[in-house]
Amino acid sequence: GAVVSQHPSRVICKSGTSVKIECRSLDFQATTMFWYRQFPKQSLMLMATSNEGSKATYEQGVEKDKFLINHASLTLSTLTVTSAHPEDSSFYICSASGLPRAAADTQYFGPGTRLTVL
Amino acid sequence: GDSVTQMEGPVTLSEEAFLTINCTYTATGYPSLFWYVQYPGEGLQLLLKATKADDKGSNKGFEATYRKETTSFHLEKGSVQVSDSAVYFCAPSYSGAGSYQLTFGKGTKLSVIP
Repeated sequence: GAVVSQHPSRVICKSGTSVKIECRSLDFQATTMFWYRQFPKQSLMLMATSNEGSKATYEQGVEKDKFLINHASLTLSTLTVTSAHPEDSSFYICSASGLPRAAADTQYFGPGTRLTVL
Repeated sequence: GDSVTQMEGPVTLSEEAFLTINCTYTATGYPSLFWYVQYPGEGLQLLLKATKADDKGSNKGFEATYRKETTSFHLEKGSVQVSDSAVYFCAPSYSGAGSYQLTFGKGTKLSVIP
């Protein structure tokens, strides 16, 4: 149980275009979803936290107008990178939590999406 | 703020060697403690967790004990395999703003050679 999927796994786009990444919890209801960014050989950086039906809470330094997060249902969250530029190229990983209360502190991660902006 | 210090890698071991990866965290409240593993090109997988002092998390031969007195959660395995080659992340989970947030260490890359 506790499977999280992401789509697409890889995407290459031109500078100035927008890219949408989907994160789905396949076998549980995710009341909270998280979006992370990971640079090569580095740790994960939390970008934002979203609760179903609420606006996302962004970490300091993350542009909310550039990284649009929608968490419209208990199984789906999307991250849209608007007007992407080469510096947005990175590995984006989502995670979800929302199992029974006893495991509310546990996040389950998706496989990640490799974004390359040309 | 909350932080975690993890043993720097890379760590290279021969197959069947004993593994220890050290992890210490700041003692803000009573976090749950996690180890996640990341295989090349993939997302993170939950390896094990412990939720209170003296709890021992274990999975796939890996173990870690929640040591409140030393604020540590060191990862150990008695006999590593080539398939254990990956990056390991220690992460305490702190509650805040209505959710539990993970604070990740920098990760320790483990390479196991035959």
